[in-house]
Amino acid sequence: GPKVLQIPSHQIIDMGQMVTLNCDPVSNHLYFYWYKQILGQQMEFLVNFYNGKVMEKSKLFKDQFSVERPDGSYFTLKIQPTALEDSAVYFCASSSGGAHSQNTLYFGAGTRLSVL
Amino acid sequence: GDSVTQTEGPVTLSEGTSLTVNCSYETKQYPTLFWYVQYPGEGPQLLFKVPKANEKGSNRGFEATYNKEATSFHLQKASVQESDSAVYYCALSETSNTNKVVFGTGTRLQVLP
Repeated sequence: GPKVLQIPSHQIIDMGQMVTLNCDPVSNHLYFYWYKQILGQQMEFLVNFYNGKVMEKSKLFKDQFSVERPDGSYFTLKIQPTALEDSAVYFCASSSGGAHSQNTLYFGAGTRLSVL
Repeated sequence: GDSVTQTEGPVTLSEGTSLTVNCSYETKQYPTLFWYVQYPGEGPQLLFKVPKANEKGSNRGFEATYNKEATSFHLQKASVQESDSAVYYCALSETSNTNKVVFGTGTRLQVLP
């Protein structure tokens, strides 16, 4: 089936540094998402993105977070500066959108971010 | 806002027994309902979806009926297998302009041989 690729699979970083998580969504998909999952807990919505703009973001999407997809390349989540509580697995997803009631998300395998 | 509540796990079953994972949702609109499954080390993947009330979805022996009156979408399987061990998420897609998808807390299922 359709594949979403996330790079890297694991990132270790010192608190206060910047990190960029990369996502290669399914080609021809138009909607992109980031979800955060702390180990053993539920998956929580961070943000979704369409046509170059943030559509909706949650309270977890702090001011230190930003997303972009320049010129159809990777869809990225940047955290600057990182904090200890940002340690989690971040899942990228994409969907074709279209009819809102058929919005199937395709997820990547996740990037495990460890902030030391 | 919209929300999804599901059976708190973990759920431990023996192979061959039946499974029910409860899912209830709250929304002011008419969402599509989903069940996703997440295996260790992977992202969630769609199990099946149901866009319309009173219809049933199914895949790999799992099934759920979109009950609009009860606002429920319970997942069932008559006979689980060890390979069904995973985390199951109930989710809804808001019928808004943002295409947001809201997930439940997930239910971890462990099936013992």
